[in-house]
Amino acid sequence: DTGVSQDPRHKITKRGQNVTFRCDPISEHNRLYWYRQTLGQGPEFLTYFQNEAQLEKSRLLSDRFSAERPKGSFSTLEIQRTEQGDSAMYLCASSLAGGVEQFFGPGTRLTVL
Amino acid sequence: AQRVTQPEKLLSVFKGAPVELKCNYSYSGSPELFWYVQYSRQRLQLLLRHISRESIKGFTADLNKGETSFHLKKPFAQEEDSAMYYCALYNNAGNMLTFGGGTRLMVKP
Repeated sequence: DTGVSQDPRHKITKRGQNVTFRCDPISEHNRLYWYRQTLGQGPEFLTYFQNEAQLEKSRLLSDRFSAERPKGSFSTLEIQRTEQGDSAMYLCASSLAGGVEQFFGPGTRLTVL
Repeated sequence: AQRVTQPEKLLSVFKGAPVELKCNYSYSGSPELFWYVQYSRQRLQLLLRHISRESIKGFTADLNKGETSFHLKKPFAQEEDSAMYYCALYNNAGNMLTFGGGTRLMVKP
């Protein structure tokens, strides 16, 4: 386990389709974060988990976005009924509880046609 | 609401010149600030945090609460410093980072 991994690295989909992204955090990290980054902008916080509990989800962009971390290990981010405005890089990060340094994954680049 | 502003989208300097990447923030609590860097084709990684007050790769950043700034400085830029730099503010309540828009640093030979 050399770092946070994300799958897939690239996803192209048609408008209206559902997509799901996976994040595997660093194994001993119990906090997991999702961010979105659009072109020319810094990452924007979406949600985070401590173990399996989703402790902050008010920043999810709409009710089309949802995230899970069922066993407190990997997490999935789902976007339903994708729109062209959802095209972005989706970043996952993890940290130790009580640690402020977040370790980022390589991201999943979503293109909605 | 907290906010981080990086006024320069692009900063271009020659090798050996001093570099200052600007960051201003607004936050009602006691700020905890970071600089993250992203080299070409690599993931975002932590460069330094204000609490540690250390120099990483020759970079330093001082928190100025009066001016609400956390500028990143290096006295002599190197070509390998070319990258995207993001200033970020940590929110204890939400355990989240608020990022600025980023500055692309280009160091020319």
